[in-house]
Amino acid sequence: AQTVTQSQPEMSVQEAETVTLSCTYDTSENNYYLFWYKQPPSRQMILVIRQEAYKQQNATENRFSVNFQKAAKSFSLKISDSQLGDTAMYFCAFFPYNQGGKLIFGQGTELSVKP
Amino acid sequence: DTAVSQTPKYLVTQMGNDKSIKCEQNLGHDTMYWYKQDSKKFLKIMFSYNNKELIINETVPNRFSPKSPDKAHLNLHINSLELGDSAVYFCASSPGLQLGTQYFGPGTRLLVL
Repeated sequence: AQTVTQSQPEMSVQEAETVTLSCTYDTSENNYYLFWYKQPPSRQMILVIRQEAYKQQNATENRFSVNFQKAAKSFSLKISDSQLGDTAMYFCAFFPYNQGGKLIFGQGTELSVKP
Repeated sequence: DTAVSQTPKYLVTQMGNDKSIKCEQNLGHDTMYWYKQDSKKFLKIMFSYNNKELIINETVPNRFSPKSPDKAHLNLHINSLELGDSAVYFCASSPGLQLGTQYFGPGTRLLVL
């Protein structure tokens, strides 16, 4: 069975600092996507960043970037210049191409950005 | 314009009742989903539909019955509600089954008393 593990239930960072959230996954698939979603207290699930497994280049979106290590099955999220609005639960998710469209989520990391 | 909308946002009901949650997407997507987020915030897929056809039923009790009248709508009906059904239910959509990015609705918080 495919699984996604986020080993840090909670993290905190000072405003303007950089923080890295960890994610590992287990699969025998070769074709898949990986995502980070953010869930602020409003409950809305917001897409942060997406990585296609066939791409070697790490995805970046403004202050958010990933370190994708396919062989190690690792997919960490780096948030630079942290802002108070980054306070949220962050979910890593794995999407295998041929399994009916399901996203497999990790347990989440609760990130607090402190002023 | 809201891309994926759900109604209601909150639902409080008694055990044994039947309730429905509606979902609509205006993104022109072919695929829609229901996810359940439990009290520990763990998210798990329940159903996926592609062009109104059921693709995934992830060992969900028969009391849960999704219905897709058209590609833009996926409703969830729950019979004989139980305490354990209390959760947040999210609808999502994507352009297709293999076109990964899923866009989520705002969620429906269901509380069964």
